[in-house]
Amino acid sequence: QQQVKQSPQSLIVQKGGISIINCAYENTAFDYFPWYQQFPGKGPALLIAIRPDVSEKKEGRFTISFNKSAKQFSLHIMDSQPGDSATYFCAALPTSYGKLTFGQGTILTVHP
Amino acid sequence: DADVTQTPRNRITKTGKRIMLECSQTKGHDRMYWYRQDPGLGLRLIYYSFDVKDINKGEISDGYSVSRQAQAKFSLSLESAIPNQTALYFCATSDSTDRGKYEQYFGPGTRLTVT
Repeated sequence: QQQVKQSPQSLIVQKGGISIINCAYENTAFDYFPWYQQFPGKGPALLIAIRPDVSEKKEGRFTISFNKSAKQFSLHIMDSQPGDSATYFCAALPTSYGKLTFGQGTILTVHP
Repeated sequence: DADVTQTPRNRITKTGKRIMLECSQTKGHDRMYWYRQDPGLGLRLIYYSFDVKDINKGEISDGYSVSRQAQAKFSLSLESAIPNQTALYFCATSDSTDRGKYEQYFGPGTRLTVT
């Protein structure tokens, strides 16, 4: 049972374009939604996170959009750069019990 | 020096062998986790420990065991390795007192191949 579903599995974008990765969750107990970024040969690292009391959070070129009623959230990377090429994982956490559930991951390739 | 270290970084072993993966952290965090990463499946939780005396099974604990030797050390064992345990394994830590952040810090991973 996959509680967090992520799409697409892979994404190719041209430099300067917008990258969009989507996630959907089932468990309404989730109340913290982070995105992790993983470069080849490295462990994942926190990129940006959102709580469900807001519909959007922006940090530089990275934005999370959150739709609580649809139980969906997405990562938007504006002005995508080759250095953004990595694997991105969405995740969800019930803060009452800190156990993360990850999505399947998206391999992003940004062509120069 | 890295805050979360894993040894070995790469390991090739044969079916039926016992193998241990080790994780150490200098972050002073109380919570530690073991995940495995497989293409198309994301990161799946094997075991987690919220303190030295609290160890819990994750979603895919069959075939694995763990030991929390100290707050800073958390080991994962495969008692009798099988080929479908070939994967990338990650250790992670978090701080239960870091309210509002919930960030997990990952080690560099161990690539395990079972032949």
